[in-house]
Amino acid sequence: AQKVTQAQTEISVVEKEDVTLDCVYETRDTTYYLFWYKQPPSGELVFLIRRNSFDEQNEISGRYSWNFQKSTSSFNFTITASQVVDSAVYFCASERGAAGNKLTFGGGTRVLVKP
Amino acid sequence: ETGVTQTPRHLVMGMTNKKSLKCEQHLGHNAMYWYKQSAKKPLELMFVYNFKEQTENNSVPSRFSPECPNSSHLFLHLHTLQPEDSALYLCASSQVLAGGRGYNEQFFGPGTRLTVL
Repeated sequence: AQKVTQAQTEISVVEKEDVTLDCVYETRDTTYYLFWYKQPPSGELVFLIRRNSFDEQNEISGRYSWNFQKSTSSFNFTITASQVVDSAVYFCASERGAAGNKLTFGGGTRVLVKP
Repeated sequence: ETGVTQTPRHLVMGMTNKKSLKCEQHLGHNAMYWYKQSAKKPLELMFVYNFKEQTENNSVPSRFSPECPNSSHLFLHLHTLQPEDSALYLCASSQVLAGGRGYNEQFFGPGTRLTVL
């Protein structure tokens, strides 16, 4: 079975600071997919990124960047120059891919960006 | 309407009531999901429907009864719930590959906040 661990339950930063969210996954599959979702106070989960297990290339999208390292089973997420609107709960998730379409979520990390 | 919609957004019910949650996806996807999100547990997958067929029941109590009449609609029928069933219920959809293989991201609705008295 897959397992996703987000060790940080809550992070508080001041606006414009960078914040990195850790995600460690466990899987026995050779092909799998990793995701990050954002859940603002409104409740709806918003998809941020999907990464395939065979693609370790890091990705940057605006102020967001992701660092995928298979050697350490980690898929970390960094918000650069944080803004108040980044305040939300962020979830890391994994999916087995060929074995089905079930998402396994981590416990989430609450990010609070103070002005 | 766009994306995934859920109704009602808020629901308060007694333990003897019967109610239903509705989810509709406007994305042309072939898979739909129910999740439960409570304060003390991470997001829990409840049910998966691929091509209108239920492919996953994650040990959900029978007081929760899903229904998927077509690929765009998903219901969750509730009866004789317990106070510990109070939670945010999220619906999602995605486009899966043949055989129910995952690949694409899931799109979520805004959820129904359920309170059981």
